[in-house]
Amino acid sequence: GQNIDQPTEMTATEGAIVQINCTYQTSGFNGLFWYQQHAGEAPTFLSYNVLDGLEEKGRFSSFLSRSKGYSYLLLKELQMKDSASYLCAVRDSNYQLIWGAGTKLIIKP
Amino acid sequence: ETGVTQTPRHLVMGMTNKKSLKCEQHLGHNAMYWYKQSAKKPLELMFVYSLEERVENNSVPSRFSPECPNSSHLFLHLHTLQPEDSALYLCASSQGDGSGAYEQYFGPGTRLTVT
Repeated sequence: GQNIDQPTEMTATEGAIVQINCTYQTSGFNGLFWYQQHAGEAPTFLSYNVLDGLEEKGRFSSFLSRSKGYSYLLLKELQMKDSASYLCAVRDSNYQLIWGAGTKLIIKP
Repeated sequence: ETGVTQTPRHLVMGMTNKKSLKCEQHLGHNAMYWYKQSAKKPLELMFVYSLEERVENNSVPSRFSPECPNSSHLFLHLHTLQPEDSALYLCASSQGDGSGAYEQYFGPGTRLTVT
């Protein structure tokens, strides 16, 4: 079967750096997405990786290793507003999106 | 952000009621999606529409009935639901044919509670 694994919950301190990991086993691979979802709000697009390597976008970076079936989202200079759930999703060979259950990130002062 | 709107935001209904969820997108997209989001579970894709035609139905019970009258509007009609159907129902839209090739834009969701 197809599976996306990410930690259920993580805690970090304001101003610090946190890395949220995502591992996947899917039928083929056509890209990986990261979304942010604040409580009670819509998921919003953060990043897209289809080739190996690091994509940087301001305080957020996303890394992909296709050979390892692994990605991470790196958040720097954490702010209280970064408290949210972070969803990893992989597009398989049929272009179907397979979603992880999300990682709830708690930021403490 | 008002690209994708959903109403109502919260809904409480009994198991014998009939209600409808509404989604509207203002982004000029061709594809629209219904997802179910339960606590600590992955998003479950329910239905996909492309240019008002249903292109995917992921073995969803018949008590959920979608309707797409035009490319900007999507409805989810609900009847005789079960308590386990309580969840957040998310609507999304994207460019393309609903195949998942494009980034999806989500609405804020309807929090449904079945009593």
